[in-house]
Amino acid sequence: GQNIDQPTEMTATEGAIVQINCTYQTSGFNGLFWYQQHAGEAPTFLSYNVLDGLEEKGRFSSFLSRSKGYSYLLLKELQMKDSASYLCAVVFGGYQKVTFGIGTKLQVIP
Amino acid sequence: GAVVSQHPSWVICKSGTSVKIECRSLDFQATTMFWYRQFPKQSLMLMATSNEGSKATYEQGVEKDKFLINHASLTLSTLTVTSAHPEDSSFYICSANMGGGNRYQPQHFGDGTRLSIL
Repeated sequence: GQNIDQPTEMTATEGAIVQINCTYQTSGFNGLFWYQQHAGEAPTFLSYNVLDGLEEKGRFSSFLSRSKGYSYLLLKELQMKDSASYLCAVVFGGYQKVTFGIGTKLQVIP
Repeated sequence: GAVVSQHPSWVICKSGTSVKIECRSLDFQATTMFWYRQFPKQSLMLMATSNEGSKATYEQGVEKDKFLINHASLTLSTLTVTSAHPEDSSFYICSANMGGGNRYQPQHFGDGTRLSIL
């Protein structure tokens, strides 16, 4: 299968740093996306990794290790508006078809 | 700004009604679009891949005759839920890749359509 695993829920404090992990089956891997989805809304693109290493974009960073089938999304200086679900999505095989994880619901508390 | 437009945002209708949802790519041509369904507290599930000028490719378990997909132009794909029933109530979302076949381009999503069948 193309199992994508990520924690279902996390809680973190405003101003803190939180890391959301994602593991996936490595066979057929062709890239990994992170999306943010607020309740009742469509997902919005955050980051893309296809090579090993860290990609930084403002307060958000994403890391990939292809050999380990592992990625994480790092959110710094958390704000209340960061409360949302974070979806790990992997391209397997086909160059456009994306498989989504169940998403990690992050709650930021004061 | 938005690169994919989806319409309508909300639909509430009686059981047995057919509902059409439109997905448009704005300012770019999308030979391929994707239709997803998301039930509460669940992940996005790919229903089908919409291909311009040819038949859609459906995922296992998705009924072709119930979820009709038409991709008649390079900027428009439609999903028609035929004879909808309460169990079809869900959040339907389309997406398109701006880079054509480029794997390094993310999929951009429409705003979604919340379908409620009474």
